[in-house]
Amino acid sequence: DGGITQSPKYLFRKEGQNVTLSCEQNLNHDAMYWYRQDPGQGLRLIYYSQIVNDFQKGDIAEGYSVSREKKESFPLTVTSAQKNPTAFYLCASSTGTNTEAFFGQGTRLTVV
Amino acid sequence: AQSVTQLDSQVPVFEEAPVELRCNYSSSVSVYLFWYVQYPNQGLQLLLKYLSGSTLVKSINGFEAEFNKSQTSFHLRKPSVHISDTAEYFCAVSEKAGYSTLTFGKGTMLLVSP
Repeated sequence: DGGITQSPKYLFRKEGQNVTLSCEQNLNHDAMYWYRQDPGQGLRLIYYSQIVNDFQKGDIAEGYSVSREKKESFPLTVTSAQKNPTAFYLCASSTGTNTEAFFGQGTRLTVV
Repeated sequence: AQSVTQLDSQVPVFEEAPVELRCNYSSSVSVYLFWYVQYPNQGLQLLLKYLSGSTLVKSINGFEAEFNKSQTSFHLRKPSVHISDTAEYFCAVSEKAGYSTLTFGKGTMLLVSP
């Protein structure tokens, strides 16, 4: 089945540690995105990529980094510089940046 | 830049009652409009979309939304809700021209009780 796979589903991290969230898609989509979701805040865009080896900052990129070495993969690293990393992280992909996005099941990150 | 306002953070209704979830957007150019649904601890699923043509769009599970350009609205309606419709609903917009990522509203939690 075609879709977007995020792993792990739950992740715990100690303060001061970097952690990488995985996102893989087999939809042959060019564009991929990372969103952060907090209660009552909706979805906020962290980073997006329209093509391999290129990506752009979204509205809340500080404390995060990404790479896009393959069309299928768009991992997100939450660095120790992110002041409040506990959140639900959603990865998405689309054929183009202004079309509908398809979402993964999310990763819930908790900093302990 | 575009923005989306969902006027209600929570909408409680009884089963089989009608419901309307409100969405207004702001943009200086033509837009595409979307409604997504999210069940607890899951990703978002596309419910319906307006790209062009008829301003009334419908989903397979009884929801519909109408694009109103003059009022810059895209309200979601269902004539009779079920318990299983309990979820959070997000309205989203993107601009038709150039590179434009989706901008989401803050969501409306629909709570259906028996």
